[in-house]
Amino acid sequence: EVQLVESGGGLVKPGGSLRLSCAASGFTFSTNTMNWVRQAPGKGLEWVSLISSDGTYIHYADSLKGRFTISRDNAKNSLYLQMNSLRVEDTAVYYCATQFYGVKIFDNWGQGTLVTVSS
Amino acid sequence: EIVMRQSPATLSVSPGERATLSCRASQTVSTNLAWYQQKPGQAPRLLIYGASIRAAGIPARFSGSGSGTEFTLTISILQSEDFAVYYCQQYDKWPPLTFGGGTKVEIK
Repeated sequence: EVQLVESGGGLVKPGGSLRLSCAASGFTFSTNTMNWVRQAPGKGLEWVSLISSDGTYIHYADSLKGRFTISRDNAKNSLYLQMNSLRVEDTAVYYCATQFYGVKIFDNWGQGTLVTVSS
Repeated sequence: EIVMRQSPATLSVSPGERATLSCRASQTVSTNLAWYQQKPGQAPRLLIYGASIRAAGIPARFSGSGSGTEFTLTISILQSEDFAVYYCQQYDKWPPLTFGGGTKVEIK
């Protein structure tokens, strides 16, 4: 059974940093493109970033470039999101999600971790 | 960036009835369109991709149609477990991958 478990969320002040982690199990992590998708409280879904299976190609939503960095450690079956210069509008539940084969859709999701940016 | 718009924002339907949800893209996405279901406090679940292909384990009462810029998700006979928020997502032109704002299907 595919399991994705996010961690690292919490309360942070504007301008602060957080590093989210996603521990994967139940599938061959090293062959999967992985994504982060977020959802502000009471709002819709917003794609954040993706990283290829070997980490060689990475894409971000334009609004996040330069502040967020996605990475992975295939030896540890883990995905990460380093978030710097956090803003109030970054407050959201952050989900990690697997990509469905070569199609840029999301077939397995974690339960999410809440990031709250507030002074 | 392709903007996805969903309508209506809220759909009130009685159990056993049919629900029809719409999704419109700001430019053509061919059939590169997916639908997700999200229940309160849960992560989204993939329902449909390729505009009309049901994901593994998705009941046949869920069907998708459309191409280009106009898409429809139909739930033929609403069950109690189908009351949720539904999102469409295009994956034709990216980045970014973009979602619609969602349609909430509520009990009438």
